[in-house]
Amino acid sequence: EAGVAQSPRYKIIEKRQSVAFWCNPISGHATLYWYQQILGQGPKLLIQFQNNGVVDDSQLPKDRFSAERLKGVDSTLKIQPAKLEDSAVYLCASSPRSGTPNTGELFFGEGSRLTVL
Amino acid sequence: GENVEQHPSTLSVQEGDSAVIKCTYSDSASNYFPWYKQELGKRPQLIIDIRSNVGEKKDQRIAVTLNKTAKHFSLHITETQPEDSAVYFCAASERGTSYGKLTFGQGTILTVHP
Repeated sequence: EAGVAQSPRYKIIEKRQSVAFWCNPISGHATLYWYQQILGQGPKLLIQFQNNGVVDDSQLPKDRFSAERLKGVDSTLKIQPAKLEDSAVYLCASSPRSGTPNTGELFFGEGSRLTVL
Repeated sequence: GENVEQHPSTLSVQEGDSAVIKCTYSDSASNYFPWYKQELGKRPQLIIDIRSNVGEKKDQRIAVTLNKTAKHFSLHITETQPEDSAVYFCAASERGTSYGKLTFGQGTILTVHP
């Protein structure tokens, strides 16, 4: 089956500019996550969707970050305006259904690497 | 919220040796503990996981142990091979949430020398 697709793979912007990342999860996966991975650190959850509803966005810097998942499939993550500390890889992941017994694996995309100058 | 500490940050072994990576977690209600492997420039991929009702799980050369009382779990890789070289992340799921809301450790860079 096709994996999680993300684009763009790389993006370089100046601080205070805006950027958007796109994610297409594995077909049929109800749960979608955006993680931020700063160089040398583990992924940090930004937002979790169940279908098209937000389950958790407690760690999303809402003054500059926004995300949506239209029709419960594709998702976009936007940063506006970007700061230097936003330089990171933004990983999208999906899983079949939140809380399903014996299903806990997250399937990650290749990530979108953002450099803010 | 959950806090996961992972040690060591780097680990260097000779091919054929064993490697052990340890993690501790803070939330006693966490019930799911996966390990992900991330090769350079690649996506993280699940290599093994364990649930809180099990103390140990093994899959060929990889094993994970869980001590709920002490709130720590470990990854054991035996007979290491150069292709095991990667960054390994432990993670834990948080209280009251579904599988998937994972808190990750800081990662361990494993280098296996031929």
